[in-house]
Amino acid sequence: SSELTQDPAVSVALGQTVRITCQGDSLRSYYATWYQQKPGQAPVLVIYGKNNRPSGIPDRFSGSSSGNTASLTITGAQAEDEADYYCNSRDSSGSYWVFGGGTKLTVL
Amino acid sequence: QVQLQESGPGLVKPSETLSLTCTISGDSISSYYWNWIRQPAGKRLEWIGRIYTSGSTNYNPSLKSRLVMSVDTSKNQFSLKLTSVTAADTAVYYCARGDSSAWYEDWFDPWGQGTLVTVSS
Repeated sequence: SSELTQDPAVSVALGQTVRITCQGDSLRSYYATWYQQKPGQAPVLVIYGKNNRPSGIPDRFSGSSSGNTASLTITGAQAEDEADYYCNSRDSSGSYWVFGGGTKLTVL
Repeated sequence: QVQLQESGPGLVKPSETLSLTCTISGDSISSYYWNWIRQPAGKRLEWIGRIYTSGSTNYNPSLKSRLVMSVDTSKNQFSLKLTSVTAADTAVYYCARGDSSAWYEDWFDPWGQGTLVTVSS
């Protein structure tokens, strides 16, 4: 299967911890990559590989994986974290890339 | 710091060819994969394809029959041509650099700001 499935929407209280998940068969073989997209802007890489953050991404963002599920955790969510989050990996054949449907994060 | 900028017509007629160019600044185009990714309004991102600086390509199977990508290393640019477009090809088109540290982990970073292409008569 080439599908990656995400919950459409998640909310979190300011300062609390939230986990955004992504499910797909390909995640048994490939690490998920996570992107943050704010309205009208291009996606920004936040987590790649096992649990790597690009320069400039706060350490409250972390990633993990188990079986066919990858997770993005924000520990101590801030107002500026309100955005859409997309997971991404190769498809099961490894020959092309697929994205999840995105999770809209609301910080209350 | 590497930056990417998409350019091309914002309006394309149905059945015609969509052509976009991505210009890279702040770094050489060499030794990376260069990707096109699109996003219809309100929908998920869709990977279109990638090209290496050697000219080697990989395409999304769903678009492969209509797609040609090319690279011009002398101009630090790569391009996309999508033929026989329909309204379903209306989307924001992004270019992005592809990188990898192992066969099981790769990522797109950075991305261009994106350009809206509308297919309409």
